[in-house]
Amino acid sequence: EAQVTQNPRYLITVTGKKLTVTCSQNMNHEYMSWYRQDPGLGLRQIYYSMNVEVTDKGDVPEGYKVSRKEKRNFPLILESPSPNQTSLYFCASSFRAGAYEQYFGPGTRLTVT
Amino acid sequence: GESVGLHLPTLSVQEGDNSIINCAYSNSASDYFIWYKQESGKGPQFIIDIRSNMDKRQGQRVTVLLNKTVKHLSLQIAATQPGDSAVYFCAESYTGTASKLTFGTGTRLQVTL
Repeated sequence: EAQVTQNPRYLITVTGKKLTVTCSQNMNHEYMSWYRQDPGLGLRQIYYSMNVEVTDKGDVPEGYKVSRKEKRNFPLILESPSPNQTSLYFCASSFRAGAYEQYFGPGTRLTVT
Repeated sequence: GESVGLHLPTLSVQEGDNSIINCAYSNSASDYFIWYKQESGKGPQFIIDIRSNMDKRQGQRVTVLLNKTVKHLSLQIAATQPGDSAVYFCAESYTGTASKLTFGTGTRLQVTL
């Protein structure tokens, strides 16, 4: 089944404790992206990747890092999480950049206390 | 389930009626538009897309209309069913900016029996 998977689905952590949210897609997509979703603000892009080893900032990149060492994986790293990073995070992928639909993962609910 | 918005505009429709969800987009250079459906606890799910060289596109029970003059997008759902209850987002993209999707804040569709 073609899908985007994320792990973990739920995470509660404390301020400053480094964490990684994994994202993997099995569709051989070139383009991958991370979004956060907050009430009243909708979905906002954090980082994106056009292909392996090619990443760039989205609208709200502060406090996040990403890497794209393999085509299928695009982990989101929070080196020192803070409470304002409490949010619902989605990974998405598409065939390539351009006019192609993005497929979304199921989401990761992160709470930073 | 996950809350995607505490104060979203809500459209209530009776089962079997047609629904029309509207969206105003912001960037006159946007050339690709997508409608997503998000059910509680899930990631956004692609419904239909349209490129800026089209005014109308039809799918199964759904139609998207694009009015570039007034930067307006609408999603029409025919014979609305209880399973259509969800939050609906429009998203715009200028494909010259690496597929960055800019999402609207969403509309909640409630289908009453």
